[in-house]
Amino acid sequence: QVQLVESGGGVVQPGRSLRLSCAASGFTFSSYGMHWVRQAPGKGLEWVAVISYDGSNNYYADSVKGRFTISRDTSKNTLYLQMNSLRAEDTAVYYCAKAPVSGWYLYAFDIWGQGTIVTVSS
Amino acid sequence: QSVLTQPPSVSAAPGQKVTISCSGSSSNIGSNYVSWYQQLPGTGPKLLIYDNNKRPSEIPDRFSGSKSGTSATLGITGLQTGDEADYYCGTWDSSLSAVVFGGGTKLTVL
Repeated sequence: QVQLVESGGGVVQPGRSLRLSCAASGFTFSSYGMHWVRQAPGKGLEWVAVISYDGSNNYYADSVKGRFTISRDTSKNTLYLQMNSLRAEDTAVYYCAKAPVSGWYLYAFDIWGQGTIVTVSS
Repeated sequence: QSVLTQPPSVSAAPGQKVTISCSGSSSNIGSNYVSWYQQLPGTGPKLLIYDNNKRPSEIPDRFSGSKSGTSATLGITGLQTGDEADYYCGTWDSSLSAVVFGGGTKLTVL
């Protein structure tokens, strides 16, 4: 079945780095745009970044621009989020999510991972 | 402050109908498709509606979506206690070049 499994979360000090991974299975990974969405404790959803199906385009939320980098490895069916210069306000559950339509589609997410928790604290 | 505006909470009795509104602007809802998500307590979000009014095959037709101008609405009929959850709207904002969400609406089935 279609599945996304995140990993790489943990506790990290402010200013340090962390890389999240999202292993995809059950669909043609190279045909779909992929997103990262986060949710701070007790808060709503916040979109983080998107990468196109072929990796040629990406966009970021202003809150992470210049600090986070989204990438994908089609040979490994894996999505990544490199997070640098982490701040306390980056503390959240991070979800990877798949677009429901192949190609360059930006409007929805049909499959979500279970989430990985990132805590930024000294 | 979310780009899309939703009511913080709505409530209705079992079996009744409820609607949840989502208000935006010409750069987001007014020119792009809207999606809706359900988040049950302690779980990740689940897609209910995409492209304004399309349902994934596993979503019952009790859930419906519509859009008019710069606003969108999620409708839920035949309310069940299992529908108690947080509901979010989302879309692409062409001016921000970003996905934007509403702040979420907590549905209580009395």
